[in-house]
Amino acid sequence: ILNVEQSPQSLHVQEGDSTNFTCSFPSSNFYALHWYRWETAKSPEALFVMTLNGDEKKKGRISATLNTKEGYSYLYIKGSQPEDSATYLCASRGGGGNKLTFGTGTQLKVEL
Amino acid sequence: GAVVSQHPSWVICKSGTSVKIECRSLDFQATTMFWYRQFPKKSLMLMATSNEGSKATYEQGVEKDKFLINHASLTLSTLTVTSAHPEDSSFYICSASRGNEKLFFGSGTQLSVL
Repeated sequence: ILNVEQSPQSLHVQEGDSTNFTCSFPSSNFYALHWYRWETAKSPEALFVMTLNGDEKKKGRISATLNTKEGYSYLYIKGSQPEDSATYLCASRGGGGNKLTFGTGTQLKVEL
Repeated sequence: GAVVSQHPSWVICKSGTSVKIECRSLDFQATTMFWYRQFPKKSLMLMATSNEGSKATYEQGVEKDKFLINHASLTLSTLTVTSAHPEDSSFYICSASRGNEKLFFGSGTQLSVL
């Protein structure tokens, strides 16, 4: 994988559903994986920065896992709420620089 | 928390004019600021990395004479789109680093060139 890819591109779930998205990134020369949450008309907000293989981070109902060997990360949202509606971006940073390469995002809409 | 303010939020200009976009870190000193461009349905594309007191580092394919970046202080970076043309119409967004890992973003600027 040369670029950062996210799937699905968009997702509609019902309130209370749990959901997850995938981020695939180049596994060679990996340094860090970022997740950001971007609500419409607001600034993207950092959720997690992960560096270690097997790392798992949690923030409230949102958690993320990281597999650096195979180059993927999962973001999980438990019991989705309407306020979780946003675009979730992941970005990968390789070693040797401070540049992040972003995926196109997963747009989540949580309906009542 | 760390706040990055970006202005203007949207701007419409005539072809041939120049537009300046400001990115300010309000409550911290940003050692590095990044400028991105986003086309519809596409990912954030890094245009340049701006370091206070030094010249910006531009990504391959980004014209430095077209997109002038100035990082005159630890709290302010500006992007000037010179002699703008309709193909420069896009969403531009900045982010700032405090030296630790995560980035703090502005809210973006939608530029429309007529």
